[in-house]
Parts: sequence; structure tokens; C-alpha cells
Amino acid sequence: QSALTQPPSASGSPGQSVTISCTGTSSDVGGYNSVSWYQQHPGKAPKLMIYEVDKRPSGVPDRFSGSKSGNTASLTVSGLQAEDEADYYCSSYAGSNIWVFGGGTKLTVL
Amino acid sequence: QLQLQESGPGLVKPSETLSLTCTVSGGSIRSSSYQWGWIRQPPGKGLEWIGNVFYSGSAYYNPSLKSRVTISVDTSKTQFSLKLSSVIAADTAVYYCARTDCSGGSCRFDPWGQGTLVTVSS
Repeated sequence: QSALTQPPSASGSPGQSVTISCTGTSSDVGGYNSVSWYQQHPGKAPKLMIYEVDKRPSGVPDRFSGSKSGNTASLTVSGLQAEDEADYYCSSYAGSNIWVFGGGTKLTVL
Repeated sequence: QLQLQESGPGLVKPSETLSLTCTVSGGSIRSSSYQWGWIRQPPGKGLEWIGNVFYSGSAYYNPSLKSRVTISVDTSKTQFSLKLSSVIAADTAVYYCARTDCSGGSCRFDPWGQGTLVTVSS
């Protein structure tokens, strides 16, 4: 299984919106709704932000939203805040009890 | 509130076996809705799924690591373990344990342990 493809970096100014893409294949992202997104601050464990493509766990601000079209999933952060600066990773089920992660995107709040 | 905690040696010699344990507290490890997984992150790099285990003991592994990995579960101790054999320097990473929550029909990794750094060096 190959890693999902994410842009290495993304940026935006406070208050703006930014979208991070996650491209896979029909065998993972395109084939299942088990796409999730994780936020990781330096030195910390990843935190679940989005699951099942577009669902937010309790406690995650509604500024975070997810979507999917074909083999590409996306995470959008609206109304950027300084604390949103972090690394973001997507993950997808790839069948046969196998999971795959994206390479990660460093989000910078300018 | 479910919590996971990794434990094990922080330094392993090349060619030896890396062994880590994840202790689950605040909830049951026995549920068909959950799997228990290991994910690693080399310094400065991204996340890599290592494998998952069901409470029944059935385990599934990343094909790229399958020949060297064993994940097992001890339901009496609410623990699950990772063994990675014949380690090399490239296996140096922060190792995380996480619950794979498959309730509701889709799965996600939540929550995660804090992670433990394992360095492979002589």
C-alpha cells in the first residue's frame, strides 16, 4: 500500500480559509468512507479532527470540515486561528483490515 | 475516559527485537467495535500504520512490515503488545498505540497514547 498524497505545506492568514487535499486511489480513499484527519502539534500525539469523511468528534470546532470527491478527500479549516498551526494527516481504510496514512501537511498561520 | 499508555525500552540494538506494551485504562478492551493498533513516526517524518489486533487475537499488519511484526493482546491485563524483529536504524521512531474505533460503521484512530521514542543504536 502506498501512502496517500498530501501537499507538504499550506498556509493562510488569520480569519482566512485553507483546504488540504489527500489523494489516494479507488482502493482506499475512493472506495471507502473511513477517511479521517488528524492534527498534530509539535511533540504531541495526533488528535482526531474528522472521521467518516465529514464528521466531527465532540469538542472539535465547526471551523474544521471534511469532504470527499472521487479518490481525493479534503480538510478545510475556516476562520484560521493561531492555534490551528500544526501538522495534519489524513488516513483511509484500504480494505482487508489495512490502513494507510498520508505524508502530512504542515499548516502555517501567517 | 479511555486512556492508552505505551511502555518499553527506549533503546534497542540493531538486529534485536523491539518490544512495546500498551496499557488500556478507563474502558474495556473487549469489544467487537474496536481494534487496537500501533502507529509509528520516524523523527521529522510522517505517520506509518504498523498493524492492528482484535480482542480475539486476530491481527493484521502493514504489508511492508509483515515479516517482522507481531501484535498480540492480553485481555486479562487490558494490554496489547508490539514486537518488531531484526530492527535497523530506520526503525527509530516514536511509537504510538491507538484504539481503532469502528463503531457506527466507519473506523478511526481515537484515542492515542502519548507515544514513546525508540532508538535503534549499538
